[in-house]
Amino acid sequence: GAVVSQHPSRVICKSGTSVKIECRSLDFQATTMFWYRQFPKQSLMLMATSNEGSKATYEQGVEKDKFLINHASLTLSTLTVTSAHPEDSSFYICSARDRKGAREQFFGPGTRLTVL
Amino acid sequence: TQLLEQSPQFLSIQEGENLTVYCNSSSVFSSLQWYRQEPGEGPVLLVTVVTGGEVKKLKRLTFQFGDARKDSSLHITAAQPGDTGLYLCAGGRTGGFKTIFGAGTRLFVKA
Repeated sequence: GAVVSQHPSRVICKSGTSVKIECRSLDFQATTMFWYRQFPKQSLMLMATSNEGSKATYEQGVEKDKFLINHASLTLSTLTVTSAHPEDSSFYICSARDRKGAREQFFGPGTRLTVL
Repeated sequence: TQLLEQSPQFLSIQEGENLTVYCNSSSVFSSLQWYRQEPGEGPVLLVTVVTGGEVKKLKRLTFQFGDARKDSSLHITAAQPGDTGLYLCAGGRTGGFKTIFGAGTRLFVKA
């Protein structure tokens, strides 16, 4: 199957700093990538849909100025958590579709963010 | 409102037992996927079902898509500790772009 990587896998930062998370499709081109947030023992919550070369589409209730998404190429999308606060601590997961109209999403391994 | 309802939410069983996880909706889906997620990792795709009534088998796992394409089930035969994880169903609706996820079923198989 298609492989998606995320970096870093784990990050601890101080409150007020910004953190960038990278999501890469390693063996395919991803026109669309998705960013999810997952709280402990809960399901995935879609934050935004990222399309290469255009602005991301954010879900209701997700602050676009807080969670900056850039989809610079067909294999890379980044999520920047700006001025992070402890309540932003969570598990962030990206996913990608390997072609337009594909049903399945391939997920990255996730990034555990802890804001002190 | 959860468009995809999964049940049970949590299941703890002994090794060797059988179990079934359900994914139900009042809406029709063009396809449904099942994922398994282990703690600290991303979900891994297990299967996609597309046709109403379709049955797919993956070793000890049997997946079924309802005739009306509104529900799906996952049956595990002779569960093993390695089956422990969060099982997520997800679906795409006809004409829709987003994937909708169920809340998940957390399975714990005791040795």
